Amino acid sequence: SQQGEEDPQALSIQEGENATMNCSYKTSINNLQWYRQNSGRGLVHLILIRSNEREKHSGRLRVTLDTSKKSSSLLITASRAADTASYFCATVGNQFYFGTGTSLTVIP
Amino acid sequence: DTAVSQTPKYLVTQMGNDKSIKCEQNLGHDTMYWYKQDSKKFLKIMFSYNNKELIINETVPNRFSPKSPDKAHLNLHINSLELGDSAVYFCASSLGTGLMQFFGPGTRLTVL
Repeated sequence: SQQGEEDPQALSIQEGENATMNCSYKTSINNLQWYRQNSGRGLVHLILIRSNEREKHSGRLRVTLDTSKKSSSLLITASRAADTASYFCATVGNQFYFGTGTSLTVIP
Repeated sequence: DTAVSQTPKYLVTQMGNDKSIKCEQNLGHDTMYWYKQDSKKFLKIMFSYNNKELIINETVPNRFSPKSPDKAHLNLHINSLELGDSAVYFCASSLGTGLMQFFGPGTRLTVL
């Protein structure tokens, strides 16, 4: 079965607001990654967080990982219209699984 | 300068035909992958090749066969195409397994 489940499935916010997406998974992992996919394009890697890390930052992105709850969150601060895309978590253990994705719309 | 390239970008074909999708990466990566993304954007790994060895095969039908002539190329050959094969197929590569992947632009396959 699919390893990662993301919520919400869709999120619509105003420019300047923060966007939070969550990812839950089922088995143990070595690391968890977040990717962005613009419409009609391939995925772009955003950030990788290892299983022994709890939080990581990259620019306006903040990722947290709670291995006890088997969950991760991606926070995008001060969102921009250009952040409109689908966001996927990917869990890496014995296998590599992508989540179901969150479709983010940032309204200018 | 494209890091991971795929050809063709669009492929429209009849049921029962055989087709190939090509993938090339110029990043010097040692692992390449093929993914299938369906209409609901569900992304499923199909194959990965590490140093020309198949290391993942996610129970895809044997009509799908990856072919890797060298570390920079991983082509996907599909025999006897079916309607359900219609999807977007992505190639990706990484340096080592389990690390960040670089994706190609995708090939949209439509089977009529």
